[in-house]
Amino acid sequence: DIQMTQSPSSLSASVGDRVSITCRASQSIGRWLAWYQQKPGKAPELLIHMASSLQSGVPARFSGSGSGTEFTLTITNLQPDDLATYYCQQYNSYSGTFGQGTKVEIE
Amino acid sequence: EVQLVQSGAEVRKPGESLKISCKASGLSSSSYWIGWVRQVPGKGLEWMGIIDPRDSDTKYSPSFEGQVTMSADRSSNTVYLQWGSLRASDTAIYYCARDTTMLRGVPFDVWGQGTLVTVSS
Repeated sequence: DIQMTQSPSSLSASVGDRVSITCRASQSIGRWLAWYQQKPGKAPELLIHMASSLQSGVPARFSGSGSGTEFTLTITNLQPDDLATYYCQQYNSYSGTFGQGTKVEIE
Repeated sequence: EVQLVQSGAEVRKPGESLKISCKASGLSSSSYWIGWVRQVPGKGLEWMGIIDPRDSDTKYSPSFEGQVTMSADRSSNTVYLQWGSLRASDTAIYYCARDTTMLRGVPFDVWGQGTLVTVSS
């Protein structure tokens, strides 16, 4: 199984800050990497797929980068509405693994 | 509007069986799979497996193989997740989600609202 490791597990930042979350795969996954946002008490929502493709309707201050084994989710101009836990996921046609999540708090 | 609507919360005793559902509406007949994701309260997301509603082809995570069964009823656009003998450790929220990886390279882009399963004696 491919393992996904996110860092940090939590972070606290101020409104307007730029924050980055890293996701590492235990083996190369090309660009088969997605990012999700889960707000408290809600189902997850897809933010980014194929490492850097922004899902329709997602604000442009969310961006993704990387390939192979190392990936980054960046949120610029952090907003109060971004309070959530963020998960990376490797996926291909027949399997998927989530990272353990990064909780983002607003100072 | 594309929607996945899941069945309501369930409470069962250890050893009992259970089948929960996920009904799709507004989805075209083009290629998509439905995946299941487990979330133990306060914990992270776990990929359980995916099923093709057209022919019930199923791919399970090794962690869930043999523990649950995924099935589909094409005529009602409904997929199911079932347990033959529940354990307390099955207590979790279960989400279904549309997967179009093979068609568009996009994973879980539409999610159900989740079904809370509580297993307690």
